[in-house]
Amino acid sequence: QQPVQSPQAVILREGEDAVINCSSSKALYSVHWYRQKHGEAPVFLMILLKGGEQKGHEKISASFNEKKQQSSLYLTASQLSYSGTYFCGTEKLVGARQLTFGSGTQLTVLP
Amino acid sequence: NAGVTQTPKFRVLKTGQSMTLLCAQDMNHEYMYWYRQDPGMGLRLIHYSVGEGTTAKGEVPDGYNVSRLKKQNFLLGLESAAPSQTSVYFCASSQLPSAPTGTDTQYFGPGTRLTVL
Repeated sequence: QQPVQSPQAVILREGEDAVINCSSSKALYSVHWYRQKHGEAPVFLMILLKGGEQKGHEKISASFNEKKQQSSLYLTASQLSYSGTYFCGTEKLVGARQLTFGSGTQLTVLP
Repeated sequence: NAGVTQTPKFRVLKTGQSMTLLCAQDMNHEYMYWYRQDPGMGLRLIHYSVGEGTTAKGEVPDGYNVSRLKKQNFLLGLESAAPSQTSVYFCASSQLPSAPTGTDTQYFGPGTRLTVL
């Protein structure tokens, strides 16, 4: 079952913060975050594991709440280069090797 | 390293025609995947392979076939194309799940934009 991402779209000014959520109705083992710019391939950002701690990448970090089966991606002091569509991919079992992706959150950062 | 490459980048087919999309990776990855991406739908898994000579169905396998005769290549075939198969197709690859995480990153190719008229 496809995870639900929210919001569907967000517009920011440079330097502002944003949070993107990814929720599942099923228990998850891992959540993978990707960013895709228009006309390009998705690019890996980070993996969050069940029981794992918050991860960070540049000014982008993420957390995984096991009780809610929800992962949140935090973008702080956003830059123009952060614009793109953010996807979460969820893995239900360790070693399942299949990711189920959400429909994406379109992030636009304006000068 | 070229990473993951896909051939062709663009293709236009007529309904009923057949074609094969080629994915190649030079990272010695065991696992390979084919996804399709439609507006507002995210990425949906078509078929995947956990090693040379193996294939398995994903979420939306109907109308597609795949083969993994060599470790570095994963082919996606459309035997009789339909307009509903108009989409952007992405190939991805990943290593064996690594300890202690039990999972690993998927690396994506640049995509093939297919239009079926």
